[in-house]
Amino acid sequence: SQQGEEDPQALSIQEGENATMNCSYKTSINNLQWYRQNSGRGLVHLILIRSNEREKHSGRLRVTLDTSKKSSSLLITASRAADTASYFCATGVYYGGSQGNLIFGKGTKLSVKP
Amino acid sequence: KAGVTQTPRYLIKTRGQQVTLSCSPISGHRSVSWYQQTPGQGLQFLFEYFSETQRNKGNFPGRFSGRQFSNSRSEMNVSTLELGDSALYLCASSRGLAMDEQFFGPGTRLTVL
Repeated sequence: SQQGEEDPQALSIQEGENATMNCSYKTSINNLQWYRQNSGRGLVHLILIRSNEREKHSGRLRVTLDTSKKSSSLLITASRAADTASYFCATGVYYGGSQGNLIFGKGTKLSVKP
Repeated sequence: KAGVTQTPRYLIKTRGQQVTLSCSPISGHRSVSWYQQTPGQGLQFLFEYFSETQRNKGNFPGRFSGRQFSNSRSEMNVSTLELGDSALYLCASSRGLAMDEQFFGPGTRLTVL
C-alpha cells in the first residue's frame, strides 16, 4: 500500500533554478528517505532524516520533516540537467522487533532544461 | 566495493510459466529486500530476507516467493506468471533493517506475454 504521496507529480524547470518536492504520509515513521531513479533503473539513496530531526542538508539537497503535519520536502538548489530523474520519498516504518520496511510514494518526475 | 547486482537484466516469459530472479547484495550486507515497480502501482515491497530467514513480507500472493543463501545472495521466484506480473523487479541490500538506507541493484525487467 502507498503511504507517501509526492507533490507535484511532475515538475519542469530551467537549469539554475531550485526544485522543491513535497511528500505527505499517513502513519508514524522511524525515518523518511529520498531516492532518485533515472529512466527505470535502480534507485539511488539521497538522504535519510530521522523522525526526531527537522532539517538535514547534503550538498545541494535540503530536506525538512514536519512530523506534526506528516510531511517532508526536498529542495534541490541550483538544478542541473543531470538532476533530471524521478524522485521518491520512502517512509521507514518500524513494526517492532527486527521488523520494518520502506513504503514508497509514486514519485515526482523532475525535468531540468538546459 | 561492488554494488548490488541482479541477473538477468531482462526476461521475456509467457503466461503460466515460472521465473527465478537472482540478487547479490553488497559484501557484508545481510538484509536483502525485493520490490516490484509498475507504472500503475509504483514501488511495492515484496519481502525481506535476513540471515536466510524471511523477516518481513508485503501484500503479494503466494505465487511470489523467495529465499536467501548463506552467502546472503537471494533469489525470488514467481510461479504461474500473469500478464500483470510484468514489472521492474528491484533488489536492495542494507546492513541492518529493511527500513534503513537501502542500496539498490539495477533491476530485472520482466515482460510476460
